Parts: sequence; C-alpha cells; structure tokens
Amino acid sequence: DTGVSQDPRHKITKRGQNVTFRCDPISEHNRLYWYRQTLGQGPEFLTYFQNEAQLEKSRLLSDRFSAERPKGSFSTLEIQRTEQGDSAMYLCASSPSRDQGYTFGSGTRLTVV
Amino acid sequence: GNSVTQMEGPVTLSEEAFLTINCTYTATGYPSLFWYVQYPGEGLQLLLKATKADDKGSNKGFEATYRKETTSFHLEKGSVQVSDSAVYFCALAGEGTNAGKSTFGDGTTLTVKP
Repeated sequence: DTGVSQDPRHKITKRGQNVTFRCDPISEHNRLYWYRQTLGQGPEFLTYFQNEAQLEKSRLLSDRFSAERPKGSFSTLEIQRTEQGDSAMYLCASSPSRDQGYTFGSGTRLTVV
Repeated sequence: GNSVTQMEGPVTLSEEAFLTINCTYTATGYPSLFWYVQYPGEGLQLLLKATKADDKGSNKGFEATYRKETTSFHLEKGSVQVSDSAVYFCALAGEGTNAGKSTFGDGTTLTVKP
C-alpha cells in the first residue's frame, strides 16, 4: 500500500488554459474525494465518488470543473478555461467508509498566471 | 448545512505545556468527528476520530471526547513537544444527504517552543 498518489505536485498554467490532475487512491478504498484548499482555510469539498459513480458535487463548482473515476480506480479532475481564482491546492483523499476518516494525498498546487 | 468552528490561532506554547484546541460543530443527526494534523511540508493526516456520543478518540498522546450535549470535540494533550508544531483541523462526516463528504474547520496553527 503506497498511500494516495497525486500527479503532478505542482502546475503553473496561463489563464484560459485547461488543466487535468490525477489521483490514485488506496486500492481497497471505494470512496474517493476531491477537495480544494487555499492558504489559511480548511479543505473545501468539491466532489465525491463511490466506486465509479459520482454521487455528489459541490454547488460551489462551476461547469468548468469536471471529474471522472473510470472503472472505480484512479480519478481525474479537469479545470477548463482556468481563472486566477482557481489557484489553490487540490487535494485527493480516499476512504473505505464514512466513519473511517480520510487518507489524503500530498496535493497538486495549481498556480494560474 | 453542516459546519465546524475552531478556536482561532495561532497558538504558541512552551514545551510540556497543556494544550486545548476548541472545536464545535453544527450538524443534524449523529455525525462522526475527526481531528486531522498537517505537519510543516507534509499532507493532512488523520490524528484521531470518534463515531458516537461520549466516545473518546486518542492517538500520540492527543485525546478528544465527542460531546453531543455541547456539540463539541475539543482536542487536548497533557504535555506538548516541539514536534507537535503543526496545523490542526477539526472535521465532521455527516449523515443522510450530507453523508458523502466531510466538513472541515479552518485549522489552528500550533507552535511549541523549547
């Protein structure tokens, strides 16, 4: 078990470009989460998968954000037409159940210039 | 909706001092409660958890008790060390329509000086 892996660790992109992040959860965990964290704030929920099904998506997310988890394994988070306000740390976490807590990845830090 | 309120920081203590970081929550039903810790330069890690009222979670000398009557889950440690310097996040996992996600507080930064 190598934990939750996220790639890339850092991404710098120009405003208006599309970016895609990848998350590989712990293989035994059927629940996968994406969060966003900015400096001085706690993680903010973006979306949640149970196996391959996307069960919840934050109302705060615009249509520029999309996530997939094909075959219930790794997941990707895509941001289209990035804006400076998208600059943040994007965190992926996995869990075997609601009551067990999360195992987080190290995150992908996005900077939009 | 669910929410978590943490004691504002930063908190600065001397080594071997007693630590309390307050956390209160708003949620319907019976959420599960968690403390996560983020050490400098590292990712978030689960520190401890409690899944029902009056449960006490404990790990690495830290403790927190699930108090339903006061909707609180305060983090305590009897004698802090320099290595405990980190950001601590309180979180809850809701029930029903909110069961899909955890809600986090904004974090409390702890600095322990030798």
